[in-house]
Amino acid sequence: DAGVIQSPRHEVTEMGQEVTLRCKPISGHDYLFWYRQTMMRGLELLIYFNNNVPIDDSGMPEDRFSAKMPNASFSTLKIQPSEPRDSAVYFCASSLKGIGTQPQHFGDGTRLSIL
Amino acid sequence: GEDVEQSLFLSVREGDSSVINCTYTDSSSTYLYWYKQEPGAGLQLLTYIFSNMDMKQDQRLTVLLNKKDKHLSLRIADTQTGDSAIYFCAENNRNFNKFYFGSGTKLNVKP
Repeated sequence: DAGVIQSPRHEVTEMGQEVTLRCKPISGHDYLFWYRQTMMRGLELLIYFNNNVPIDDSGMPEDRFSAKMPNASFSTLKIQPSEPRDSAVYFCASSLKGIGTQPQHFGDGTRLSIL
Repeated sequence: GEDVEQSLFLSVREGDSSVINCTYTDSSSTYLYWYKQEPGAGLQLLTYIFSNMDMKQDQRLTVLLNKKDKHLSLRIADTQTGDSAIYFCAENNRNFNKFYFGSGTKLNVKP
């Protein structure tokens, strides 16, 4: 079975540029999560969706960050304009609807470097 | 808010047992999880335990839960070099699909 697929795996760009990260969740999963991982702050939940609807975006750091889920099989996380402090590994995860036993399945992440 | 804490590093010799500890604050947690992250990869679910259980064993992995003290541990028997990774504990709260992760414990297994 295909897992969560993220693209690109690596992104290097100059500050001020727009960055778009992509995620394809596991087919049939109702929940989709975006995380950011840094050495300083660990793993942070940015936003999550249920049935394509954003439920909690309280972790989104600033208005420069936006996320969309236009359909059940695709989501994007966009940073515009990007800054060096946005450099991190961004993970997407998905899970089935359920009560607790439904673990989150993670993609391999996008390693983002803003110069 | 919810808080999940782990020690940052653990170093063991190959063949020894490893014990990774985690404490959490949310008494309404229903499930607690252990994830493993290898370099350059995402988090992989290792095992989970329901909050009304004290122990769960799965091959070389043993999870112990002390709900009174809000303490969770993961024991890896006969630790191998391939077990070297970062281990995260996570708990869910009433919003059962929102997880809170610890900072991760980096396990180093020396040959």
